Amino acid sequence: SQQGEEDPQALSIQEGENATMNCSYKTSINNLQWYRQNSGRGLVHLILIRSNEREKHSGRLRVTLDTSKKSSSLLITASRAADTASYFCATVSYSGGYQKVTFGIGTKLQVIP
Amino acid sequence: DAGVIQSPRHEVTEMGQEVTLRCKPISGHDYLFWYRQTMMRGLELLIYFNNNVPIDDSGMPEDRFSAKMPNASFSTLKIQPSEPRDSAVYFCASSLGTGHGYTFGSGTRLTVV
Repeated sequence: SQQGEEDPQALSIQEGENATMNCSYKTSINNLQWYRQNSGRGLVHLILIRSNEREKHSGRLRVTLDTSKKSSSLLITASRAADTASYFCATVSYSGGYQKVTFGIGTKLQVIP
Repeated sequence: DAGVIQSPRHEVTEMGQEVTLRCKPISGHDYLFWYRQTMMRGLELLIYFNNNVPIDDSGMPEDRFSAKMPNASFSTLKIQPSEPRDSAVYFCASSLGTGHGYTFGSGTRLTVV
C-alpha cells in the first residue's frame, strides 16, 4: 500500500455528527498535513503537524499524530453540509536536500443536511 | 494576494499537439510544485523547484514532459507531443518552504482526444 493511505475511503454522516478520518504511512516523516478538496477545485491546506507534535487544533478540526504507529487522524466536530469534500493526508520527509511529499488517495466525506 | 494562478482552466487538444500549462505562484514562496491528479493514480508529484531551480523531476512521466521556471513568478509545464493518457487535472502549488503547507491553484483540466 502507498504512503499516506487514508481510511475510510468514503464516509457518510448526518450534519452535527463528528467525522473521523485516519491516515497511515510507512516511512519516517518530518511533518504530516491534511488537505480538503471540493469537487472540481484545488486542494486547500487545513493543518500541519510536525513529527514532534502529538495533537493540534484549528477551529472544529483536531489532528493527532502517533509516530510509533505511523498514523494520524483528522477529527471534524459538529460537521456541516459545507464540510462535504474529499480529505487528503500528505506526508513530508526531507533527505539529502530533497523534499519528498506523498499524498494519499483521500477520504470522500458526505455530510447529509 | 490572489493565490496561485493557473491557466488555462480547461484545455482540450488533439493527440500529438503541444500543450503548455502556466502557473504564477504566490509572491515570496520559494517552492513551486507541479502535480497531476487522476482517478486511477491520485495525486502525483511531477517536479518541484526551489528558488527557480528544478530539484526533483523524478516524477515526470517521460521525455514528452518538460517544466521551466524562468523567474520567481512564472512556471510552465509543457507536454509535447500530447497523448490521451495525459488527460488529467494538473495542479501547481507553492510553498514558503520546509515546514509550511502548500497553496494549490485551481488546476488545469487537460483532455487529449
